[in-house]
Amino acid sequence: EAGVVQSPRYKIIEKKQPVAFWCNPISGHNTLYWYRQNLGQGPELLIRYENEEAVDDSQLPKDRFSAERLKGVDSTLKIQPAELGDSAVYLCASSPWPPGPFSMNTEAFFGQGTRLTVV
Amino acid sequence: TQLLEQSPQFLSIQEGENLTVYCNSSSVFSSLQWYRQEPGEGPVLLVTVVTGGEVKKLKRLTFQFGDARKDSSLHITAAQPGDTGLYLCAGAQNFGNEKLTFGTGTRLTIIP
Repeated sequence: EAGVVQSPRYKIIEKKQPVAFWCNPISGHNTLYWYRQNLGQGPELLIRYENEEAVDDSQLPKDRFSAERLKGVDSTLKIQPAELGDSAVYLCASSPWPPGPFSMNTEAFFGQGTRLTVV
Repeated sequence: TQLLEQSPQFLSIQEGENLTVYCNSSSVFSSLQWYRQEPGEGPVLLVTVVTGGEVKKLKRLTFQFGDARKDSSLHITAAQPGDTGLYLCAGAQNFGNEKLTFGTGTRLTIIP
C-alpha cells in the first residue's frame, strides 16, 4: 500500500512569491495534518482535518497561509506571499481516526515532506 | 511554544554505549508516542505508551511513561550507528491521539 505522498520534494522561490504543496494521504485515512518543521526541531501543527473539515487551524497564519482538502482526500497548503522565515520542511501526515478495533490509539503516517527555501 | 521539552537537544556517543533521552511537560497527556526521523524522511512511529508508569521494550530500546503521564524517557542499550536520527516524542491530550503535539527533538549521533 502506498504511503503518504507529497509533492514537490523541494521548492526554491523568491520572497513575496506564492507557493503550493500537495498531499495525497493513505487511502481510507480521514484525518490529515499539515506540520511545519524547522531544522533539527520537532514538527509544529499548522492545521488538522477530519474528512473535509478543518477542526484545528489555530496555529495557521491565516494572513498568508491557506489550506483545503477537497472531498476529504487530497489536500493543498498554500503560502501567498512567502517570506524568508517560511523556509522549512512542510510535512503532511494522515491517520485512520477513529482507530481500528484492536487499537486504542492511532498512528500518524508521515510523507517525506517538502523542503521550502525562500530566498 | 511547544508543550513538550526534550533533553538533551543533541547527543553524540560511541557505538556500544547506553543513553537516555527525556521528554518533559507540565501538561498531562492521555498517551505519548516516540518517533524517529531520518534525514529527508518523515517521522516514523516507534511506540505508543498509554498507562502511567508503563514500560515498553522494543529490542534495545526501552520506553517509559511517567506515573503522572507528564513525562517519558527513551533508553537505548548498546547503541549502534543505525540508531542515529532525530528522536521525537509526541503527546496526545485527547483520547486516540488525533491531536498530537510534538516535542523539541533530540538529535542522536552514534559514532562507529
